Amino acid sequence: EVQLVESGGGSVQPGGSLRLSCAASGFTFSSYWMHWVRQAPGKGLVWVSRINHGGTSTNYADSVTGRFTISRDNAKNTLYLEMTSLRVEDTAIYYCTRENGWYYNYWGQGTLVTVSS
Amino acid sequence: QSALTQPPSASASPGQSVTISCTGTSSDIGGYNYVSWYQQHPGKAPKLMIYDVSERPSGVPDRFSGSKSGNTASLTVSGLQAEDEADYYCSSFAGSKNVFGGGTKLTVL
Repeated sequence: EVQLVESGGGSVQPGGSLRLSCAASGFTFSSYWMHWVRQAPGKGLVWVSRINHGGTSTNYADSVTGRFTISRDNAKNTLYLEMTSLRVEDTAIYYCTRENGWYYNYWGQGTLVTVSS
Repeated sequence: QSALTQPPSASASPGQSVTISCTGTSSDIGGYNYVSWYQQHPGKAPKLMIYDVSERPSGVPDRFSGSKSGNTASLTVSGLQAEDEADYYCSSFAGSKNVFGGGTKLTVL
């Protein structure tokens, strides 16, 4: 059974940093592109970032470019999102998703990040 | 403002059909046949309902169908059931990024 389990969310002040993790199981992690998608409270889904199988190619939404870094450790079957210079508008549930040919067929349960003073 | 435009709400009675539109540009929906649709119930993670414009994953009822014309994609739910009440999001590949619509809240009257 495919499982994606996010962790690392919490409360942080503006300007602070957090690192999210996503532990993957039930599939060959190193064979799939992985993405982060976020959802602000009461709002819609917003794509954040993606990384290729080997971790050599990454892309970011304009709103997080230069502040967030996506990475992966295929030996540990884990996806990461390093978030720095956090802003109030980064407050959201962050979902880890597995891409399967330009769509997301598996999602984690999400981890909540709250940026507030 | 979301990259793809969806109506904020839609509604229909049980047994009826409803279509939700998703409008983009030639850089996303119009440029690729990689439109997907997701259903999200309150407090839950999104669930894939349609991929590659009109393909249904196994386990998704055939009451759900997708299509595309130019820069606009559509999700049709026929034979509406109470459990179809949820938020629906479209998504498209857009080259160096992926984009989502703002979501449509579907109400079953």
